[in-house]
Amino acid sequence: DAGVTQSPTHLIKTRGQQVTLRCSPKSGHDTVSWYQQALGQGPQFIFQYYEEEERQRGNFPDRFSGHQFPNYSSELNVNALLLGDSALYLCASSPRAGGGADTQYFGPGTRLTVL
Amino acid sequence: SQKIEQNSEALNIQEGKTATLTCNYTNYSPAYLQWYRQDPGRGPVFLLLIRENEKEKRKERLKVTFDTTLKQSLFHITASQPADSATYLCAPPESGNTPLVFGKGTRLSVIA
Repeated sequence: DAGVTQSPTHLIKTRGQQVTLRCSPKSGHDTVSWYQQALGQGPQFIFQYYEEEERQRGNFPDRFSGHQFPNYSSELNVNALLLGDSALYLCASSPRAGGGADTQYFGPGTRLTVL
Repeated sequence: SQKIEQNSEALNIQEGKTATLTCNYTNYSPAYLQWYRQDPGRGPVFLLLIRENEKEKRKERLKVTFDTTLKQSLFHITASQPADSATYLCAPPESGNTPLVFGKGTRLSVIA
């Protein structure tokens, strides 16, 4: 049973560029959440997708957008990258919508470096 | 605003001893709280969930308590081992069933 997978593992971009990160949820899960984790900090919630719609959103600007596909996989897009966007981006899946009430199963993350 | 504080950034402990990590929250009353373990460069892994009507939860060498009066959760690892060295994160929901709010974590080092 495959867990949550994310791609790519590492990514280096320059300021102003755009990036797309990808996530496949754990088998049987239909809800995907994205988190940003800066060095030395806990993960910060970006948004959550269920039934291909954004259901909840954290305190992140519109430069951060996402998508969920019919097979429950998801993408995170970040436009106009800033140096401060450098972080570990984590995808987490859970078996149903309902926010954090369900245990979050995290992927290994994508390390984004913005130069 | 809601705030989550974990007692210290780093905790060093001798192998075999009990490690105790603290999570304090202010300005709200979460219905439950989750604890996660995170190894360097990896995603967090769920350990335990404790609800407001539960005083204590155990899983093998792990024990979590939840004191809604003190607004505090304690996370204990008994008979600690070097393999327990990791960062431990507490995460209550922001409100109701909203997504989790993670503390900064406590980095535990178990010294042989």
